[in-house]
Amino acid sequence: GAVVSQHPSWVICKSGTSVKIECRSLDFQATTMFWYRQFPKQSLMLMATSNEGSKATYEQGVEKDKFLINHASLTLSTLTVTSAHPEDSSFYICSATTGARHNEKLFFGSGTQLSVL
Amino acid sequence: GQNIDQPTEMTATEGAIVQINCTYQTSGFNGLFWYQQHAGEAPTFLSYNVLDGLEEKGRFSSFLSRSKGYSYLLLKELQMKDSASYLCAVRDREDSWGKFQFGAGTQVVVTP
Repeated sequence: GAVVSQHPSWVICKSGTSVKIECRSLDFQATTMFWYRQFPKQSLMLMATSNEGSKATYEQGVEKDKFLINHASLTLSTLTVTSAHPEDSSFYICSATTGARHNEKLFFGSGTQLSVL
Repeated sequence: GQNIDQPTEMTATEGAIVQINCTYQTSGFNGLFWYQQHAGEAPTFLSYNVLDGLEEKGRFSSFLSRSKGYSYLLLKELQMKDSASYLCAVRDREDSWGKFQFGAGTQVVVTP
């Protein structure tokens, strides 16, 4: 199956700093990548959808200036949490799909646990 | 809006069968997926349905009724390692990207 690599696995940072999370598709070209966040014992909440070479589409309530997404190539998308605050502490997971056909499942990265002090 | 409902938690004994129900109301439908997620890890794909009926895959089976907006995941011969959260996800067709919307997950606890 397809492999999605996500780094870092965990990060601890001070309030006010920015954190960048990388998501790479290792053996396929990911035309679309999705970024989710998950609080403990809660569902995966879609934050944004990014297509290679175009601007990301953010879900309602997600601040695009705070969560910067760049999908500069078919194998790499990055999420930057700018000026992180403790309430941004969460599990962030990227996922990728090769296309929009009905049977195209999501391939997930291993997730990034962000803790903001 | 989108709404995907599944029970919060289920407990079953090793070797037993458990059925996790999922009902959905979404603006479009382009497939229903089940994922398994262990704590602190990313979800892993279990099964997929786009047409009505039952899909069997070893110890796991999934059923779909599109007219009822209903699916279930059946886990047979439960093992301790099956203790995990099981996520129901619907891919909608609002746009060509086919966004996935997830339910809150059902925590399955397998006891000896």
